[in-house]
Amino acid sequence: DIVLTQSPASLAVSLGQRATISCRASESVDSYGNSFMHWYQQKPGQPPKLLIYRASNLESGIPARFSGSGSRTDFTLTINPVEADDVATYYCQQSNEDPYTFGGGTKLEIK
Amino acid sequence: EVMLVESGGGLVKPGGSLKLSCAASGFTFSSYAMSWVRQTPEKRLEWVATISSGGSYTYYPDSVKGRFTISRDNAKNTLYLQMSSLRSEDTAMYYCARQDYRHGGFDYWGQGTTLTVSS
Repeated sequence: DIVLTQSPASLAVSLGQRATISCRASESVDSYGNSFMHWYQQKPGQPPKLLIYRASNLESGIPARFSGSGSRTDFTLTINPVEADDVATYYCQQSNEDPYTFGGGTKLEIK
Repeated sequence: EVMLVESGGGLVKPGGSLKLSCAASGFTFSSYAMSWVRQTPEKRLEWVATISSGGSYTYYPDSVKGRFTISRDNAKNTLYLQMSSLRSEDTAMYYCARQDYRHGGFDYWGQGTTLTVSS
């Protein structure tokens, strides 16, 4: 199974600053020139919400403050600038290989 | 508007069975692969099962293979998860999720239904 390791487990960022979350895969999640890594946001009491698909593509309706980058085994979610509404837990997920797996989550708080 | 509404969760004794349902609306259900994803009390997300759009193909992780069965009724726009030989580690919130055929990510999720396995 592909293990996804997120770091940090939690971070506190001031409003208007940049937040950077890392996701490292135990093996490549690239196939056919695409990286099958996705990012989700989950607020308390709500289901996860897709933010970024295939590493760097912004899902429809998601603010451009969110961006994703990376390939093969190293991926990053960036939120810039951070707003109060961004308080949530963020998860990465790979769909390159069965079984699909998720990272352990990164909790974002406002400093 | 895409809506996924799960039902059927509850309290079950170890070794018991339960069937979850997910009613879909707002999109052409028969055109999409669908999945179940669970979230443990520790907030860990785990993929549980996927079924192809027509229902011919199903996929499971080893942790539930042989115990869980995913199925669908495209005429009723409904997804199911039959769970048997339940264990305490199956305790979780179970989400129904639509799978985007372009990239395999889960683009819509229901609000979830809770399963507790305890004696």
